[in-house]
Formats: sequence, structure tokens, C-alpha cells
Amino acid sequence: SQTIHQWPATLVQPVGSPLSLECTVEGTSNPNLYWYRQAAGRGLQLLFYSVGIGQISSEVPQNLSASRPQDRQFILSSKKLLLSDSGFYLCAWSTDRYNSPLHFGNGTRLTVT
Amino acid sequence: SQQGEEDPQALSIQEGENATMNCSYKTSINNLQWYRQNSGRGLVHLILIRSNEREKHSGRLRVTLDTSKKSSSLLITASRAADTASYFCATPPMQTSGSRLTFGEGTQLTVNP
Repeated sequence: SQTIHQWPATLVQPVGSPLSLECTVEGTSNPNLYWYRQAAGRGLQLLFYSVGIGQISSEVPQNLSASRPQDRQFILSSKKLLLSDSGFYLCAWSTDRYNSPLHFGNGTRLTVT
Repeated sequence: SQQGEEDPQALSIQEGENATMNCSYKTSINNLQWYRQNSGRGLVHLILIRSNEREKHSGRLRVTLDTSKKSSSLLITASRAADTASYFCATPPMQTSGSRLTFGEGTQLTVNP
């Protein structure tokens, strides 16, 4: 069966520090991968998605970047965090079939202080 | 911008009662999906209804879709305390592959024992 792992679960970082969040998927090949951000009590905002190694699409301009160095690995990064980067970051995967549902990791709670 | 908007924002009911949540969307869709999120966790896919379907059932869940009104509803029958969670509707963009879903703001459901 397929599983998705996200780490760390929580992170407290000072303003101006770098960020690296990692997500890996097991049990499937060539998944579509997604990074979403959720503000407290709000819906999800799509940040990045990837349909293959090295293929990254950004949905909104921001202080973050994403990379996909391996088929089942998706990394969210920042060189210098801002206070506004605080939030709940969720990684998800889907197959490349249309109508494929998303399967989410358990998220990373990021607090920038 | 948000495609789906859930209503109500919050709902509190007693165990055994039915819970109904509504979702309205703005543009034409190919399908609409409902997800559940327990506090501090990732989202879990509940059910997908295609645009040519009007009603779909899964266990205690019943989803309806009215494309003429651009709205959907999620009914949870005989609710349990364990149903306490946030519920989101989500839609993919038309005529594209993959699952770049746009989520609503969610309905926070509390089921009191």
C-alpha cells in the first residue's frame, strides 16, 4: 500500500533562517506531488505541484521554492523565512489520472518567530 | 481565490443527529470532492462525485451535486463523536490532468456525546 511521510511534524524557526521540509512517498511510482499551506482555521492554498523529477510548477509568488530530486521525494525550501511563512504545510500525492484524489501527509506546523 | 465555499463555517450537533454541510463553487467543474481533516492532521479523501452524477453514497455519507446551482451538500447520518472534524469541498481545474485541487474554507463539525 502507498504511504506518505512528512517531517518534521513541528518546527520553530527565527525570521531570516533557512527552511527545508521533506516529503517522501512509498508504494507508488511517478506520483504527482503537491505542497499546500493552511493558515489557522482556513482552507488550503496550493503552493507547488510536480508531475515528474525536476518539473515544478509554482501557483503563487512567494518566499518559498520546491524541488523534486527523486521520483518520490518533494522538498519545500526557503533561504530566509518571513513571519508570514508561518502555517501548516501539507504534502500530498496523487496518480496522474484525472479525477485521482489527493493523499495527504500529516503536515508540518511551522512557526516563524 | 477560493473556488468552493462551505456553509456553515461551524456546526455543533448531538450524537445521533444528522449533519449537513453545503458547498458552493463558481466555475464549471468535472468533479467535486469532499475531504475530512482531524485537528492538526492531514486531510483524508471521503468521496468524489462527478459532474454527471446527482447523488452518491458511501456508508453514512451522502453527497449531492446540483451543477445548475453550482452547489453540493454532504450529509453525515447518525453522527458520532468521532465525526468531529473539519470538512472541505474541493474542485480540480477543468480540462487538465492531475489533481490541482482548490479547497474551500471548510466547515468545523463538532459532535457532542
